[in-house]
Amino acid sequence: IAGITQAPTSQILAAGRRMTLRCTQDMRHNAMYWYRQDLGLGLRLIHYSNTAGTTGKGEVPDGYSVSRANTDDFPLTLASAVPSQTSVYFCASKAGLNTGELFFGEGSRLTVL
Amino acid sequence: QKEVEQNSGPLSVPEGAIASLNCTYSDRGSQSFFWYRQYSGKSPELIMSIYSNGDKEDGRFTAQLNKASQYVSLLIRDSQPSDSATYLCAVNDSNYQLIWGAGTKLIIKP
Repeated sequence: IAGITQAPTSQILAAGRRMTLRCTQDMRHNAMYWYRQDLGLGLRLIHYSNTAGTTGKGEVPDGYSVSRANTDDFPLTLASAVPSQTSVYFCASKAGLNTGELFFGEGSRLTVL
Repeated sequence: QKEVEQNSGPLSVPEGAIASLNCTYSDRGSQSFFWYRQYSGKSPELIMSIYSNGDKEDGRFTAQLNKASQYVSLLIRDSQPSDSATYLCAVNDSNYQLIWGAGTKLIIKP
C-alpha cells in the first residue's frame, strides 16, 4: 500500500541522547515535512524539503536537523534530546508545492525523560 | 505572525444535527484552505479543500469561504458518532506552507 512509513512508532529516550526518526514515502512526492503535535498547540512545522537535495527551517527548528538525500527518505534527527521535545512527530508529503493534500505518516510518539 | 484561529471546543452536537465548525485566518494573501479530520491517536486526513468564495459541497460536508471576512467554515449535516474527531483548519501562505489551527474537538452524542 502506497504511503508514508515512520519509525519508530514510539520511543522513550533519556535526555542528552541522539535520536533519528525515520520517514520513507513511496509516492514519489517532491515535498516532505516534519511536524510536531502538542496538546492545545496544533501542528507546528519543524523542517521541510521542497525537493530532494534541499531543506528549510519551519516554525520550531531548534534542536532538530534533517536531510533529503533522495526523494523517498526524510529523516529527522535530535542531536541531544531534551524533555521539551517530548511530542508526537508526524512526517508528511505532498506531490507539489501548490497542491493541497498532505499525506501523513502514522506518527512517532517520543518521550524524553 | 500568520495565524489560524479555531475554537478548541469540545463542540457537542446531537446525532443527526448539523455540526458547524469555524476558522479565521490572518493572512489576506491566502488562497487555499483545507479541513483535516484527526481521530484520537491517528494522523490527520484531508476531508475538504476550498479555493474560492462561496460554498463547496461533498456528501454530508460543506465548506464555506469568505475571503473578505477571512473566515472559513465546515458544516457536517446529519452528524454521525463516527464524525467525532478533532477538525483542523489549515491555510496555505504565500510560500505554500500550511498554517494550522489548533483544532476543534467535535463530539457527536448518540
